[in-house]
Amino acid sequence: AQKITQTQPGMFVQEKEAVTLDCTYDTSDQSYGLFWYKQPSSGEMIFLIYQGSYDEQNATEGRYSLNFQKARKSANLVISASQLGDSAMYFCAMRAYNFNKFYFGSGTKLNVKP
Amino acid sequence: DAGVIQSPRHEVTEMGQEVTLRCKPISGHDYLFWYRQTMMRGLELLIYFNNNVPIDDSGMPEDRFSAKMPNASFSTLKIQPSEPRDSAVYFCASSLLPMLSGANVLTFGAGSRLTVL
Repeated sequence: AQKITQTQPGMFVQEKEAVTLDCTYDTSDQSYGLFWYKQPSSGEMIFLIYQGSYDEQNATEGRYSLNFQKARKSANLVISASQLGDSAMYFCAMRAYNFNKFYFGSGTKLNVKP
Repeated sequence: DAGVIQSPRHEVTEMGQEVTLRCKPISGHDYLFWYRQTMMRGLELLIYFNNNVPIDDSGMPEDRFSAKMPNASFSTLKIQPSEPRDSAVYFCASSLLPMLSGANVLTFGAGSRLTVL
């Protein structure tokens, strides 16, 4: 079975500072992908970043980077230089190669303070 | 591409009425997913299709819920009869699977917010 855990229901960060959102996962599969999505107050789900289990380097997309620690089964999202527009819910998700289901965590609500 | 298109964006109905939610996936995506999002239960997968065929409907709450995909560009999720506990945001998402890559992600529609009074 696949499971995603996000232990931070809510977080605050000062504008222009970096913030790390935690995500741990549980799977017995060797090949899997990890995803982060952003859900602003308007409700849409926006894909941010992807990390494959066999990728040797941590994924980066602009101000987003993924701190992937395979042995610890963690895939934390790092947002650098936070902006007010980063205030949103953030969801970590996983899919194992042999399964077509995406499993989502419960989300972390990030508030960026001016 | 216009992305995943869902309609209606908002639906308010009375208990016992039939509700039909619609989805047009991204052209060429052969997997379509229906999710439900509530504060209490988060994002739940209801059902998914591959090449218009339902593959896994284990997340469908009960017989009141049904989903169809008559062709590659259209899917419906129907609730009959609706109940207040069905109030939620229903998302449709599509994807190119099964390869794992940053290109084969779930692309979500804007969601349909359902309120059952």
